[in-house]
Amino acid sequence: EDQVTQSPEALRLQEGESSSLNCSYTVSGLRGLFWYRQDPGKGPEFLFTLYSAGEEKEKERLKATLTKKESFLHITAPKPEDSATYLCAVHLSSNTGKLIFGQGTTLQVKP
Amino acid sequence: GAVVSQHPSRVICKSGTSVKIECRSLDFQATTMFWYRQFPKQSLMLMATSNEGSKATYEQGVEKDKFLINHASLTLSTLTVTSAHPEDSSFYICSASVAGVHEQYFGPGTRLTVT
Repeated sequence: EDQVTQSPEALRLQEGESSSLNCSYTVSGLRGLFWYRQDPGKGPEFLFTLYSAGEEKEKERLKATLTKKESFLHITAPKPEDSATYLCAVHLSSNTGKLIFGQGTTLQVKP
Repeated sequence: GAVVSQHPSRVICKSGTSVKIECRSLDFQATTMFWYRQFPKQSLMLMATSNEGSKATYEQGVEKDKFLINHASLTLSTLTVTSAHPEDSSFYICSASVAGVHEQYFGPGTRLTVT
């Protein structure tokens, strides 16, 4: 069964304290892996797409990496405005665009 | 670019009535639109996938007669919750994508409360 698991469920950091969020997946065929940010009461905001193992993408304090089994979202020197839920989703090669989401990691950055 | 809007952002309706939620792609033509439901502190649950001009494909366990989806144009899809009940109260989010592009762009969501 295709599955996406994110860890930890919740993460509290002090401002400036770097860390990583994990997204591990067990799928029949990966077409792409996506990272989204979701603020409370809002829709997910697209961050990154990764397609192949070894690929990395960066945006401001965020860097996403991909291996054959998992993806990491590295947050360098986070600020309070980085507080949000980060969602990982996989797009399978066998379907018509459907995404399978992980449960998300809720990040809280304290000043 | 890639902006998706939803209307209304919040709606309160009485049990037994129907409510329609609109999803629009503002600056691109969406060949496929997706409807999700999200419960508090949970991830997104896909309800259905719709392609312009064809019938929606519903996920297992989603009642197609209760959640009517119409994708009449490349920029508009609607979700109608028919004969709503309190258990239908939730956060409904749509997303849109373009053929050949894997990213889905999400709307801001609609909070439905059924009293």
